[in-house]
Amino acid sequence: KAGVTQTPRYLIKTRGQQVTLSCSPISGHRSVSWYQQTPGQGLQFLFEYFSETQRNKGNFPGRFSGRQFSNSRSEMNVSTLELGDSALYLCASSQYTDTQYFGPGTRLTVL
Amino acid sequence: GIQVEQSPPDLILQEGANSTLRCNFSDSVNNLQWFHQNPWGQLINLFYIPSGTKQNGRLSATTVATERYSLLYISSSQTTDSGVYFCAVLSGGGADGLTFGKGTHLIIQP
Repeated sequence: KAGVTQTPRYLIKTRGQQVTLSCSPISGHRSVSWYQQTPGQGLQFLFEYFSETQRNKGNFPGRFSGRQFSNSRSEMNVSTLELGDSALYLCASSQYTDTQYFGPGTRLTVL
Repeated sequence: GIQVEQSPPDLILQEGANSTLRCNFSDSVNNLQWFHQNPWGQLINLFYIPSGTKQNGRLSATTVATERYSLLYISSSQTTDSGVYFCAVLSGGGADGLTFGKGTHLIIQP
């Protein structure tokens, strides 16, 4: 089976812009979770989608949003980018609440 | 929320040495995973081990759920084992997603 894929791999934006990141889960996995990794805060949970519904949400402002499509692919959107949003964004898929498999990540730089 | 502490934060070893990485967690868990983060940032699954013991080649892991800790053993270290090792747990219904420790940065010198 193909692994979790994320696009784009690298992205440079300026403050105030918005960005959309994409994640394709492992075939058959219905749960997709998103995480943010920064040097200061480490790895933090953003949200989880299961069968097109947001099932759980971490402690992030409303500028961070996501959605999941009927084929389980997921997108996350960050509006009004701030310098502090520069991070590695990781997507993970799982069948339910078992093993989570991570994609290669999208490295976002906000200038 | 649940707290996850990993130790040691940094570890420098010579090639061929053995190492033990520890993960303590503050509440009961229904999912515990160990990951190795490669230099490009991807988290590579090592073990899914909410309880018990597992082995995969030179790596093995043990989780004692009743005492709220997990150990990752690396034997006969190789330079390719270098990197950051993370422990992550899922508690309750998973409302907080995986909670990660701060990681152990392992350097294997030739």
